[in-house]
Amino acid sequence: GAGVSQSPSNKVTEKGKDVELRCDPISGHTALYWYRQSLGQGLEFLIYFQGNSAPDKSGLPSDRFSAERTGGSVSTLTIQRTQQEDSAVYLCASTSGVETQYFGPGTRLLVL
Amino acid sequence: GENVEQHPSTLSVQEGDSAVIKCTYSDSASNYFPWYKQELGKGPQLIIDIRSNVGEKKDQRIAVTLNKTAKHFSLHITETQPEDSAVYFCAASRNNNDMRFGAGTRLTVKP
Repeated sequence: GAGVSQSPSNKVTEKGKDVELRCDPISGHTALYWYRQSLGQGLEFLIYFQGNSAPDKSGLPSDRFSAERTGGSVSTLTIQRTQQEDSAVYLCASTSGVETQYFGPGTRLLVL
Repeated sequence: GENVEQHPSTLSVQEGDSAVIKCTYSDSASNYFPWYKQELGKGPQLIIDIRSNVGEKKDQRIAVTLNKTAKHFSLHITETQPEDSAVYFCAASRNNNDMRFGAGTRLTVKP
């Protein structure tokens, strides 16, 4: 079946602009995660959605970062007033809660 | 919260040799330990996982061991091949919630 998809695959933006990154989880998965991966680094947890519960935003690095999950499915990660240090790969993962997390291919963000 | 440490950060082996990557975790309540392989330009992909009621699990050339008392778990790859070259991540979680990842190990298999 279809896996986790993310769009765009690559995004180049200018410093100060806002960007939106999209994640389509596996159908039926109740939990969705966003991670950030800087070049050559590990996975930095950003935010976690579980069903209709309030999201766990404890990993968001600043108030410029926000995320929504509409209808319990698609999620959008928004970065306002982007900075060069925001350049990274943004990964989305979903899970049914019983199985492991399945990752999308990521969005490579470059802030010039 | 959970803290996962992973060693080594880089590992280079000759084709056909074995590779071992080790991780430790801090939360004794963690009960699910997956391993992911990330190839260049792709998202991490699950390769094997183990739950706390099992001490060892094997899938062809890949095996994982878990020592709950010592709070460490390891990935073993035997008969390594060049296509095993990638970054490997360990992770630990409680009931698949709040999963925390190690920093990753870059494995290079030399032909």
